[in-house]
Amino acid sequence: AQSVTQLDSQVPVFEEAPVELRCNYSSSVSVYLFWYVQYPNQGLQLLLKYLSGSTLVKSINGFEAEFNKSQTSFHLRKPSVHISDTAEYFCAVRRSGGSYIPTFGRGTSLIVHP
Amino acid sequence: DGGITQSPKYLFRKEGQNVTLSCEQNLNHDAMYWYRQDPGQGLRLIYYSQIVNDFQKGDIAEGYSVSREKKESFPLTVTSAQKNPTAFYLCASSVGLAGVYNEQFFGPGTRLTVL
Repeated sequence: AQSVTQLDSQVPVFEEAPVELRCNYSSSVSVYLFWYVQYPNQGLQLLLKYLSGSTLVKSINGFEAEFNKSQTSFHLRKPSVHISDTAEYFCAVRRSGGSYIPTFGRGTSLIVHP
Repeated sequence: DGGITQSPKYLFRKEGQNVTLSCEQNLNHDAMYWYRQDPGQGLRLIYYSQIVNDFQKGDIAEGYSVSREKKESFPLTVTSAQKNPTAFYLCASSVGLAGVYNEQFFGPGTRLTVL
């Protein structure tokens, strides 16, 4: 079985500052990794994913995450945040190959202050 | 536009009543899922279905029931046996369960409040 730990429940940051949302996973087999974003009272939207290949993956709105197998991490970063990035962010992991259901972390609330 | 619809967005029910949450998708996806979201607890899987007329219990299935009579529809019934039903419920779908086709697409959610 796999598990996900999002180390921070809340991350406050000022607009235009850099941010890192941390995600660590536990799995004895190879995995796929995902970051989802949820705006208030909405469903989740996929932000980016790592399936294979390059360990650095990027989203269209400036976020990026790096898969680090040795540290079992998939931290999400953005060099300069905007007010509109205020949302809940969820990291998810699932076993690669086969038919498996993703496991979600508890979420990190990113609060961007003006 | 293809997507997932959930209705209603807000639902109020009295304690002891069963209530059914609707989930419809027009993405032609085989797999569908129901999650419950509570503050600080992330998403917890209630039920999932890989194909019509088949579904499996997730981590917190007690007090819930589902059906999958059509590919597009996966309604969730919250029964009176569910001890703490007030929560935000999310429906999702994916092409399938296998490999890279497991990427999930989510509906907008239904917020259920039991009075």
